[in-house]
Amino acid sequence: SQQGEEDPQALSIQEGENATMNCSYKTSINNLQWYRQNSGRGLVHLILIRSNEREKHSGRLRVTLDTSKKSSSLLITASRAADTASYFCATDAGGYQKVTFGIGTKLQVIP
Amino acid sequence: DTGVSQDPRHKITKRGQNVTFRCDPISEHNRLYWYRQTLGQGPEFLTYFQNEAQLEKSRLLSDRFSAERPKGSFSTLEIQRTEQGDSAMYLCASSRAGGERAYEQYFGPGTRLTVT
Repeated sequence: SQQGEEDPQALSIQEGENATMNCSYKTSINNLQWYRQNSGRGLVHLILIRSNEREKHSGRLRVTLDTSKKSSSLLITASRAADTASYFCATDAGGYQKVTFGIGTKLQVIP
Repeated sequence: DTGVSQDPRHKITKRGQNVTFRCDPISEHNRLYWYRQTLGQGPEFLTYFQNEAQLEKSRLLSDRFSAERPKGSFSTLEIQRTEQGDSAMYLCASSRAGGERAYEQYFGPGTRLTVT
């Protein structure tokens, strides 16, 4: 079963614009991660945020986490055509690190 | 670090046949995971190994599915008596045992299974 649900399911923007994707989940988590998947490179880990963190940055990525609302957002600033991919949030409840993925947001960046 | 590799990349089989997939994780990673992904969905967890021990198995994994990691290195996933519903991308991932990046999973390219 899928724990997370990304919103929107599809997003199309012009190169240079910012892209925001949201993820909602159902049960308490230990960590939340974002992954990117495209046909060229498969699934790639982008960033991890722990349940006791509220915001994290990595390059052009900014992730926020609101555990009271059971939601997270991923912001990609100054998007590039190469950012075109599907983006998944993934959560774990600790322990043996079983990770549960959402259904993903398909991002298209138009050059 | 040569990355996670999977073999074969594509497999077409007839319903009722058995298939076996192989995953070679990153050499220093002692955790290995199998996922299944269908079109338009995120990866679904199937099973997880720490070294050679299979520590968790999803309810999605019916009795027709079996996974092994005999020496704590490579892993195999076997599907017996394949059904059309087994058609999917099968993904393998590995991760470190501990430390700051223990939760970061490295994925292989996947094996795409088509059951006709």
